[in-house]
Amino acid sequence: DQQVKQNSPSLSVQEGRISILNCDYTNSMFDYFLWYKKYPAEGPTFLISISSIKDKNEDGRFTVFLNKSAKHLSLHIVPSQPGDSAVYFCAAFRGGFGNEKLTFGTGTRLTIIP
Amino acid sequence: DVKVTQSSRYLVKRTGEKVFLECVQDMDHENMFWYRQDPGLGLRLIYFSYDVKMKEKGDIPEGYSVSREKKERFSLILESASTNQTSMYLCASSLGGSAADTQYFGPGTRLTVL
Repeated sequence: DQQVKQNSPSLSVQEGRISILNCDYTNSMFDYFLWYKKYPAEGPTFLISISSIKDKNEDGRFTVFLNKSAKHLSLHIVPSQPGDSAVYFCAAFRGGFGNEKLTFGTGTRLTIIP
Repeated sequence: DVKVTQSSRYLVKRTGEKVFLECVQDMDHENMFWYRQDPGLGLRLIYFSYDVKMKEKGDIPEGYSVSREKKERFSLILESASTNQTSMYLCASSLGGSAADTQYFGPGTRLTVL
């Protein structure tokens, strides 16, 4: 049962344009969401997060939007750069004793075309 | 900088062998995690630990066990390796308090079971 889904396995975007990566979740109890980025032969690294009490969080070129009613979040990268080419994982968290773990999505491979 | 190291980058084992994957973190983190990454399935949590000698099952613990005798070290054990355990194994650690804390990942161990 995939509670966090990234329906696009891959995405190609021209350098300088906007990259939009999408993530859907099914568990309405999730209250914190994160994006991780992974280069080949390296472990994932944290990128940006958002709490369910917000609908937007911005950090430089990266913005995450959360639509709780649609159970959907998206990561916007503007402008896209070649170094952004990587696999992006969204992850969701539900707080509370005994539930302290992240649930990751399946990942989207982003390729920035120079 | 947080450093999470894994004992091997690549490992080839035979079916039925006992396999040890070691993970060490140098930032005095309370939490440690073992994931496996498979194409189309994303990162799936195998086991995690919030304290020395403490362990909790993740989403796919079958066929695995773990050991945390010291705070900085978290070992994943495949008691009798099988071909369906061929995968990329990722260790992570986080400061503590919440699994939503930023997780720092090691570079991964690509295990092939023949």
